Order: sequence, then C-alpha cells, then structure tokens
Amino acid sequence: AQSVSQHNHHVILSEAASLELGCNYSYGGTVNLFWYVQYPGQHLQLLLKYFSGDPLVKGIKGFEAEFIKSKFSFNLRKPSVQWSDTAEYFCAVRSNYQLIWGAGTKLIIKP
Amino acid sequence: NAGVTQTPKFRILKIGQSMTLQCTQDMNHNYMYWYRQDPGMGLKLIYYSVGAGITDKGEVPNGYNVSRSTTEDFPLRLELAAPSQTSVYFCASTLGQDYGYTFGSGTRLTVV
Repeated sequence: AQSVSQHNHHVILSEAASLELGCNYSYGGTVNLFWYVQYPGQHLQLLLKYFSGDPLVKGIKGFEAEFIKSKFSFNLRKPSVQWSDTAEYFCAVRSNYQLIWGAGTKLIIKP
Repeated sequence: NAGVTQTPKFRILKIGQSMTLQCTQDMNHNYMYWYRQDPGMGLKLIYYSVGAGITDKGEVPNGYNVSRSTTEDFPLRLELAAPSQTSVYFCASTLGQDYGYTFGSGTRLTVV
C-alpha cells in the first residue's frame, strides 16, 4: 500500500531563512501529490498540487515543490520564510479515491 | 459562503454516550471524507463516500458509522463513545480526484 513519509516532525527557523520540508512516497507509477497547510487552530488548506507536466510546482504564498520521480520525493520549499508561515504542513499522495497523508511537519518561525 | 460546514465545534461526551457529527457541503461535491487528527499522527481516514448512497470504510472505521442519503450531507455517528475516540474530527469534500480537498473547520471531541 502507498505510504507517505515526512522526515522532520518539527522544524524551527528564523525569519528570512530558506525552507525545505521533505516528503517521500512509497511507490511509483502515476502519482498525484499534494501539500496542505494547517495554521494554528484552523483547518487544512491546499498549498499546491502536482498531477503531471512541469515537476516544479508553484503554489500559494510563495511556496513551491519539486517532484523528483527517481527519488520518490515531493519536497516543499520557500526561499524566505515569514513569521506567518508558522503552521503544520502535510504532504499527501492520491491512492484511488483517497489521499494518503504524511504525519505532518510543525514549522515554527522565530521573529 | 460556500464550503464545508461542521457542527458542533466542540463536544464533551461521557463514555458510552452516542452522538452525531454533522457535515454539510454546498458545492455539489460527490466525494466526501471523515478524518480524525491526533497529535503527531497526521490524518487518519475513518469513512468516505463517492456519492449519495455509497460509503466505504477507511483506515480506522471501528466505532463509527456514516450515511450519505444526499449529496450535501455526510454525518458521522459514534454509537458508544470511548476515550480512544478523543480527537479532532475533520470532514472534507472534493469535486473529483483531480482537485484538492475542501476541509471543514473541525470538531474537537473529548470522551471522559
């Protein structure tokens, strides 16, 4: 069965630092990949998604992710984080009618 | 505003009590989902539905039941509440598998 790994459970950065959050899924073939964000006390919101085409996907709020098929990875990046990026970030991969979710990475940005 | 509406936002249940978590969407989405979110565990799928009258079990269905009599509504039923069901519950919907999910604001349930 498909599974998703997010290697960092907690990440602490200073404002203006660059961000990369790792996401790996377990097996290949055609994959649909997603990153969601959950701000404190709020529900999950879609950041970006990859279905096909350009492996570098741009999302909202300056986030981007790169799909590397050979590495089964879909890492999330942002060149310069802000305090308002403090949130939990979830990677997910589609499997039939469901999304398989990673455990999440809590990102704390120090002002 | 269009979206997914969940009620209640908070609830405390005693062991053995029952309750229904309500979920309604007004976007005419066929696919609807119930998740529970526990700290450090991500989202676990409880039940899902691909359309009115069709439901299926997810990863953690034990202790829960669902129904989907209309496209809009997808209630989640807890029959005999147990402390292990203390969690935050999210309902989500999507138009199709090529789209992202729209989530409700969640229900924080505590079973004591």
